[in-house]
Amino acid sequence: GALVYQYPRRTICKSGTSMRMECQAVGFQATSVAWYRQSPQKTFELIALSTVNSAIKYEQNFTQEKFPISHPNLSFSSMTVLNAYLEDRGLYLCGALGSQNTLYFGAGTRLSVL
Amino acid sequence: GQQVQQSPASLVLQEGENAELQCNFSTSLNSMQWFYQRPGGSLVSLFYNPSGTKHSGRLTSTTVIKERRSSLHISSSQTTDSGTYLCALERDSNYQLIWGSGTKLIIKP
Repeated sequence: GALVYQYPRRTICKSGTSMRMECQAVGFQATSVAWYRQSPQKTFELIALSTVNSAIKYEQNFTQEKFPISHPNLSFSSMTVLNAYLEDRGLYLCGALGSQNTLYFGAGTRLSVL
Repeated sequence: GQQVQQSPASLVLQEGENAELQCNFSTSLNSMQWFYQRPGGSLVSLFYNPSGTKHSGRLTSTTVIKERRSSLHISSSQTTDSGTYLCALERDSNYQLIWGSGTKLIIKP
């Protein structure tokens, strides 16, 4: 079956430092990967959509300079939160697009910032 | 107004009772997904259900596009079912998920 592994599950970083999270698609080819964030107020937002061999599309309020994404092949994507501050806390979720336009989700990476 | 309305906001049941969670939507639907969010925050994908009925163990999801609703039924609830259940609608294949506000489910022993 199709699975998405997202890691780390939890991470803590110091204010001003950066952290990288990874998303691995197993059992299918992920032509696109969508990254989301759930803020402490429980609102999910789309950060960006990454498609292999295509430009990454960032949503308003999110930039490549702050959330660089790598999507080198059909099974792996990573996103880094650069210079993390308190407002970057939350649950980061990757959704990988499989066949029939089905999005398969990882369990999320919870980021805490000290 | 809200495009996805999830109800109830919270639900408290005794172990063994059945739970019925609803999502009503007012926009076009490409897919409806149901998630279980553990108390620690991590998400478990329960169903990808654009239409019809799907079963997984004690869980059943039914999406009726004409009636603009999707439901999640949990039969014979257990204390380990406690947590937040979220529905998310994907509209027009643009990967923008429109999330419901969640149902906080508490199952008492």
